[in-house]
Order: sequence, then structure tokens, then C-alpha cells
Amino acid sequence: GAVVSQHPSWVICKSGTSVKIECRSLDFQATTMFWYRQFPKQSLMLMATSNEGSKATYEQGVEKDKFLINHASLTLSTLTVTSAHPEDSSFYICSARDLDRGMNTEAFFGQGTRLTVV
Amino acid sequence: AQKITQTQPGMFVQEKEAVTLDCTYDTSDPSYGLFWYKQPSSGEMIFLIYQGSYDQQNATEGRYSLNFQKARKSANLVISASQLGDSAMYFCAMREGLSSGNTPLVFGKGTRLSVIA
Repeated sequence: GAVVSQHPSWVICKSGTSVKIECRSLDFQATTMFWYRQFPKQSLMLMATSNEGSKATYEQGVEKDKFLINHASLTLSTLTVTSAHPEDSSFYICSARDLDRGMNTEAFFGQGTRLTVV
Repeated sequence: AQKITQTQPGMFVQEKEAVTLDCTYDTSDPSYGLFWYKQPSSGEMIFLIYQGSYDQQNATEGRYSLNFQKARKSANLVISASQLGDSAMYFCAMREGLSSGNTPLVFGKGTRLSVIA
């Protein structure tokens, strides 16, 4: 089945530094990928929609200058948390769908990245 | 307004018994899909089952079945013969506009299932 790979699986960074998270579709092309954030014991909240070759679409309340998304190829989207602060500590997870499998198919998720800002 | 409502923050079930996890949804789109995902403590999201709004029959996948009641806008997940490995968070999710493009999933708050030996 379709596989989405996310890297790194966990990262600890100092306040004020930037962290890049990669999301790759391994055996299919993904013109669109989605980035979610999940705080402890909470649900997945959509942050942004990443579109290959164009600007990402951000959800209300998500700072586009803080969470930079780049979707430079059909298999790779990156999320960069810039000038990270402790409140950015969270679980970030990406997803994509293999549209060649049809419109009514499930989304595949990366393994997620647990970010801790100290 | 909440699009996906899961009213059970936590559920306990005895091993080998069946359990139903509730999910109600809200949409005015006639074309939508309902999904259930399992999230173990590792964080990965594991797809379990899918039900399309136009599907006439309830979806089944092994020990998982979906009790789809369209008029009541509910899509409850039934897990039969529970196993210890079923202990995890379970999320109900919906995708609207199935025919209009690649739209994102919207998730409920989840239900934590604990299977007791």
C-alpha cells in the first residue's frame, strides 16, 4: 500500500532555532499533502494544505511566517518551524492520498514528529 | 460547530468482547466519506475502515465494522472480539467534497479504548 515517510521522528531544539520536518510519499506522487498538529491528549488539528508548485494554504490562526511549508516536488513537502518556542512543542504529522487509487480512499500518514523546544 | 463528535473520552472493554465507539457528524455536503483511524502510543495513524455517503451497505474490515446510520448522521465503529493490542486512541474523521478534489480530513476528539484481560 501507499507509504508516507516523515523525518525526523523526534527532535529537541533550543528556543529561537528553526527545525525542518520532511514528509515524503514513497511510492506515489502527492500533489497535495496536509500538515496536522496534535497536542497531548488532543485531536489532530489541520495546520495547512501543502500544494506542489504553489503556496500553501494555512488554516485560520496558523502563522504562515512561523510555519514555513515548501512542496518542491511531487513526493516531498517540508514544514519548517522558525524561531521555535516552548509553546510550539507538539506532535506534527503529515498525510497524503494516492489519487491514482481513486477519490474515495483513505489518507496515509507519516510516522509523526515529536518536537520539544527547550 | 463541531463537524465530528465523539462523546466517549474513554472506554473499557473486556478481552474477547465487542465494543462500540460512537461518532456523529455534521455536514450539508451530500458527498462525503467517514473514516476511522487507530492511534497507538507510538503516534502513528493506522487506517481502519471507510464508509462513503452513498454506500448502501455498512463497511466491514475483519474485526471492524461501521454502523452507518445516515439519517441520524452517525458512524459508530464496532470492534468485535477485542484484543489487548486494540488498546489505543480511536479517531473518527470525515472528508467532505469527495467529488470536488483533495480535501483534508477533519477529526473528532477521539476515544481512548482500554482492553482489559
